[in-house]
Amino acid sequence: DGGITQSPKYLFRKEGQNVTLSCEQNLNHDAMYWYRQDPGQGLRLIYYSQIVNDFQKGDIAEGYSVSREKKESFPLTVTSAQKNPTAFYLCASTGLNQETQYFGPGTRLLVL
Amino acid sequence: ILNVEQSPQSLHVQEGDSTNFTCSFPSSNFYALHWYRWETAKSPEALFVMTLNGDEKKKGRISATLNTKEGYSYLYIKGSQPEDSATYLCASSGYSTLTFGKGTMLLVSP
Repeated sequence: DGGITQSPKYLFRKEGQNVTLSCEQNLNHDAMYWYRQDPGQGLRLIYYSQIVNDFQKGDIAEGYSVSREKKESFPLTVTSAQKNPTAFYLCASTGLNQETQYFGPGTRLLVL
Repeated sequence: ILNVEQSPQSLHVQEGDSTNFTCSFPSSNFYALHWYRWETAKSPEALFVMTLNGDEKKKGRISATLNTKEGYSYLYIKGSQPEDSATYLCASSGYSTLTFGKGTMLLVSP
């Protein structure tokens, strides 16, 4: 089945630790996105990539980093510089027309 | 940053009631308006994408309208069912990214 997978479903981070959230898609989509959701907030864009080996900062990129070495994969690293990482993280992708975005099931990050 | 507002924040209706939500967005530099349904423990699912002023789209009991001149869209659910319970998100798109509202949480009681 085509779709977007995110792993893990839950992730725990210790103080000062970097953690990486995985996002993989087999939809042959060019563009991929990372969003963060906090209680009472809408989805906020962290980073996006429209093509392999290229990515742009979204509205809240500070404390995060990404890579796009393969079309299928867009991992997000939450660095120790992100002081409030506890949130629900959603990955999405879209095809050439960049209209409908398809979402993964999300990863919930908690700080120990 | 585009400012997308949704109202109401939450809504509780009885099975069989019809309901509607509002999404307002900046009308300048408009490209497209998206509606998503996000059920608990699932991924957000696309409902509609609308681009033209006056657009109306329908999927079963759910329909949406778009007014790009005044910057608003309505989502209607006719004869709500418990399975319609979800958060409904709208998003306005620029050239390559979406700006989401905070969503309207709908609860339909049997």
